[in-house]
Amino acid sequence: RKEVEQDPGPFNVPEGATVAFNCTYSNSASQSFFWYRQDCRKEPKLLMSVYSSGNEDGRFTAQLNRASQYISLLIRDSKLSDSATYLCVVSNQAGTALIFGKGTTLSVSS
Amino acid sequence: NAGVTQTPKFQVLKTGQSMTLQCAQDMNHNSMYWYRQDPGMGLRLIYYSASEGTTDKGEVPNGYNVSRLNKREFSLRLESAAPSQTSVYFCASSEGYRDEQYFGPGTRLTVT
Repeated sequence: RKEVEQDPGPFNVPEGATVAFNCTYSNSASQSFFWYRQDCRKEPKLLMSVYSSGNEDGRFTAQLNRASQYISLLIRDSKLSDSATYLCVVSNQAGTALIFGKGTTLSVSS
Repeated sequence: NAGVTQTPKFQVLKTGQSMTLQCAQDMNHNSMYWYRQDPGMGLRLIYYSASEGTTDKGEVPNGYNVSRLNKREFSLRLESAAPSQTSVYFCASSEGYRDEQYFGPGTRLTVT
């Protein structure tokens, strides 16, 4: 099992749609979890941290399921500006570095 | 605050040439990182520095060297560039190695 796995997509959705991404990770000892966003030819930018209790930031909701070792990101009321690649990020087993998934591409159309 | 800055933004090298990529952060972060990103491969860690004075190998260190010059600066050196090192290189920093990382704008390197 790869350390961090994501469905690469692309997910093509209309404006206003709700879309969900899942990510699975292999290291049960991982302690830190994040979602990053990366626009074409730009640097990754932190979207949100993911906490055990789940967390919400506006239209974005992140959840963590430690028992099943997966993380999810829900985007409600999609905007054109949400079009990007979303990277799932998990700390490695030793806790010494972050492992980045290859990303899921979202395209929102009008 | 500029955050994380990288120079140069673009570079073309011939096989066998050497160069140093510069990275600096003004967030007083302890940890700094170098990644490369290739199509279909995602971000791969080259080297990291958990704190000033320490450096460690990441997933793909071969062909690279690093220097943590001080708390602010972390450079990446290619001693003898190869076409396989054509990539986009990102520098990042974080408060600690389990914390969220902040990235620089990247260096697009082509080796011919």
